[in-house]
Amino acid sequence: QKEVEQNSGPLSVPEGAIASLNCTYSDRVSQSFFWYRQYSGKSPELIMSIYSNGDKEDGRFTAQLNKASQYVSLLIRDSQPSDSATYLCAVNPWSGNTGKLIFGQGTTLQVKP
Amino acid sequence: GAVVSQHPSWVICKSGTSVKIECRSLDFQATTMFWYRQFPKQSLMLMATSNEGSKATYEQGVEKDKFLINHASLTLSTLTVTSAHPEDSSFYICRARDRFKISGANVLTFGAGSRLTVL
Repeated sequence: QKEVEQNSGPLSVPEGAIASLNCTYSDRVSQSFFWYRQYSGKSPELIMSIYSNGDKEDGRFTAQLNKASQYVSLLIRDSQPSDSATYLCAVNPWSGNTGKLIFGQGTTLQVKP
Repeated sequence: GAVVSQHPSWVICKSGTSVKIECRSLDFQATTMFWYRQFPKQSLMLMATSNEGSKATYEQGVEKDKFLINHASLTLSTLTVTSAHPEDSSFYICRARDRFKISGANVLTFGAGSRLTVL
């Protein structure tokens, strides 16, 4: 069973703080990893993708991947109230490039002004 | 950028009726369409994958006779929930793959989603 696990939260942080979101996955052959943001009642939007071990930074967002430990995380620096949403971790555990993903249940982030 | 138009955005229907949800790729050709379902506070669950001109491939536990998927053209895929019941109430989302962009899941585009409520 291919699984992606996230703490559902809510994770509450004050405005300006760093929010740290974590995700673990079960399938060791997974090669590509994604973080999506989903506002209530809306479809997910892609924030970050990461394929190699280490850190990848894009603006206020940093994705971290550790394949040996099978976890991927997302750091949001200088959190803003507009960052309040559910963050979905997604993994492609299949070989090839089908675009098929398994999603975690999401972590709800609340940024308080 | 690539846009997928999904309609209706929300629909309320009586138990036993059928509901059709459409996803249209507006400025690209969608060779593959993924259909997801999301219950409140839960993850996106993949229901089926459809390729243009082929029969859809359904995930384990998804009834193909209840959730009819048609992908007859490169710009339109439909999901029909037949004989809908209250337990089918959910958020249905499509995700399209551009025919000419094959590298990575990040090039796929989500539709806006359809909220189905079955009374």
